[in-house]
Amino acid sequence: EADIYQTPRYLVIGTGKKITLECSQTMGHDKMYWYQQDPGMELHLIHYSYGVNSTEKGDLSSESTVSRIRTEHFPLTLESARPSHTSQYLCASSYSTGGTEETQYFGPGTRLLVL
Amino acid sequence: KNQVEQSPQSLIILEGKNCTLQCNYTVSPFSNLRWYKQDTGRGPVSLTIMTFSENTKSNGRYTATLDADTKQSSLHITASQLSDSASYICVVSDRGSTLGRLYFGRGTQLTVWP
Repeated sequence: EADIYQTPRYLVIGTGKKITLECSQTMGHDKMYWYQQDPGMELHLIHYSYGVNSTEKGDLSSESTVSRIRTEHFPLTLESARPSHTSQYLCASSYSTGGTEETQYFGPGTRLLVL
Repeated sequence: KNQVEQSPQSLIILEGKNCTLQCNYTVSPFSNLRWYKQDTGRGPVSLTIMTFSENTKSNGRYTATLDADTKQSSLHITASQLSDSASYICVVSDRGSTLGRLYFGRGTQLTVWP
């Protein structure tokens, strides 16, 4: 079982609200990722970080922002939630091995519903 | 275009039976292929990883195969259990993990009935 945590697990919120999804890992991993997953669809990378103070946008355009002030913490923020943001958000982390078999460990996810 | 296609989209089998899930990919250059298991409401968990030179890899009742020439992989589950009910996701990396990106399939939703 991976030591990566996400809170809240479920969130129902009204349009226009600001929300922050929390992600923490206790494995000392340098890399962290945020994915968005809709039911029956593939995961899409929206943000990633290779270390403290390093953040990059992923393949899927997202109105969310992230920060990496501490190694273990990688929160995702939506300044103004909209119904189109309704989805499952998965956080992951990995440790740089320099090889090809680096494994990403996933958190349990946050299911977000914007009304 | 780099893609990962999985079949079937969903599958229902009886407890104790075997099943095989398929994954076809067009990702190039290929680095490795992983199978993940995702329980409902949980994050994916890695089952196996295979590099270019590996044809078969087992993890308990799960056996993955890879044919890099035809760009196909399969995941065989033996003697299925109720706890095998989950989505199985095929993920292909196009280069070394430090530089490459991951391509995800949509998964096969497996349901095991008693």
